[in-house]
Amino acid sequence: GAVVSQHPSRVICKSGTSVKIECRSLDFQATTMFWYRQFPKQSLMLMATSNEGSKATYEQGVEKDKFLINHASLTLSTLTVTSAHPEDSSFYICSAFSGVADTQYFGPGTRLTVL
Amino acid sequence: EDQVTQSPEALRLQEGESSSLNCSYTVSGLRGLFWYRQDPGKGPEFLFTLYSAGEEKEKERLKATLTKKESFLHITAPKPEDSATYLCAVQASGGYQKVTFGTGTKLQVIP
Repeated sequence: GAVVSQHPSRVICKSGTSVKIECRSLDFQATTMFWYRQFPKQSLMLMATSNEGSKATYEQGVEKDKFLINHASLTLSTLTVTSAHPEDSSFYICSAFSGVADTQYFGPGTRLTVL
Repeated sequence: EDQVTQSPEALRLQEGESSSLNCSYTVSGLRGLFWYRQDPGKGPEFLFTLYSAGEEKEKERLKATLTKKESFLHITAPKPEDSATYLCAVQASGGYQKVTFGTGTKLQVIP
């Protein structure tokens, strides 16, 4: 149990385009999901907290207009990187909080490369 | 501000050579401390949650312990498949589910 999926696993796009990443909790409902960014050989940096049915809470320094988050249902959150630039290239990982297990479960991550 | 420091940054062990990873933390009221394993290019995989000092949890060759200031992840007789980065994270009390991660310990187990 406690499986979290992400799609796509890898995406390459041109500078200036927008990219949407989906995060799904497959076997549990998650009122709260989190989006992280991870640079090579570094730990996870929390970007934002996504709450079902309400606006996301962004960490300091994260541009909310650039990283659009939507948590439309108890099993789905999306992150849209708008007008992507090469510096947005990174590994993006989502997690979903299971109230039953009182634990965050992570997705497999999405590798974004912006050319 | 919550802080998590993990040591060592990297650890190289011979297969069967037991050791421990350290996670020191400061948090304004600990709600939970988490251990995750992360393989290259993948998301973290949940291992343990510890809630109070003195608590211990085990899974196969791994045992996690918790004191008021730090946690240890003991690896007994490791195998090459235990090679990964081990992440520690803390969650503060107060009803907010956000966690703060350490930078991890990269473990390499050599056959």
